Amino acid sequence: KQEVTQIPAALSVPEGENLVLNCSFTDSAIYNLQWFRQDPGKGLTSLLLIQSSQREQTSGRLNASLDKSSGRSTLYIAASQPGDSATYLCANGANNLFFGTGTRLTVIP
Amino acid sequence: KAGVTQTPRYLIKTRGQQVTLSCSPISGHRSVSWYQQTPGQGLQFLFEYFSETQRNKGNFPGRFSGRQFSNSRSEMNVSTLELGDSALYLCASTRDQPATDTQYFGPGTRLTVL
Repeated sequence: KQEVTQIPAALSVPEGENLVLNCSFTDSAIYNLQWFRQDPGKGLTSLLLIQSSQREQTSGRLNASLDKSSGRSTLYIAASQPGDSATYLCANGANNLFFGTGTRLTVIP
Repeated sequence: KAGVTQTPRYLIKTRGQQVTLSCSPISGHRSVSWYQQTPGQGLQFLFEYFSETQRNKGNFPGRFSGRQFSNSRSEMNVSTLELGDSALYLCASTRDQPATDTQYFGPGTRLTVL
């Protein structure tokens, strides 16, 4: 069974700081990798989807990379803002998604 | 275009009862996946339906079931509710494949079992 680990579990940073969230997989057969954010009590919003043949994807201040050899993905957030405060989840899978437990990010104004 | 909708948003039931949750996907999406989210276990995959057929199933007991209609709307049913079934139930729709296409999630149904 695919297991997904996210480190750190929680992170608090001052506004404007650049930060990196980490995601790792036990199954070396990494398929497409997706990053989501979840606001409290709400559903998930897709941020980035990295196809298995790609190494990274960028959207605005977000950049996600995928290293299949090590089974890791990182989400880089540049110039963090209070509105970035949320829980960030990564997910991977062949037919359905296995989710990590998430990193709860707090950006302090 | 309209997003994924889920009804009801909140539900309170007692042990032993059954419950039905509904999910309407984005227009044109044929795949609907269901997830259970709890503080202890995180997000866990329940099942996925595509063109009215269950295509994938997670590791949940048979009390959890679902179906999909010809208009792609999906329902999930939980029978003989247990306290541990209290969770946020999320559905997500995609055009075709959940693992290769972007998944769009609904706001969830918060189920509380007393």
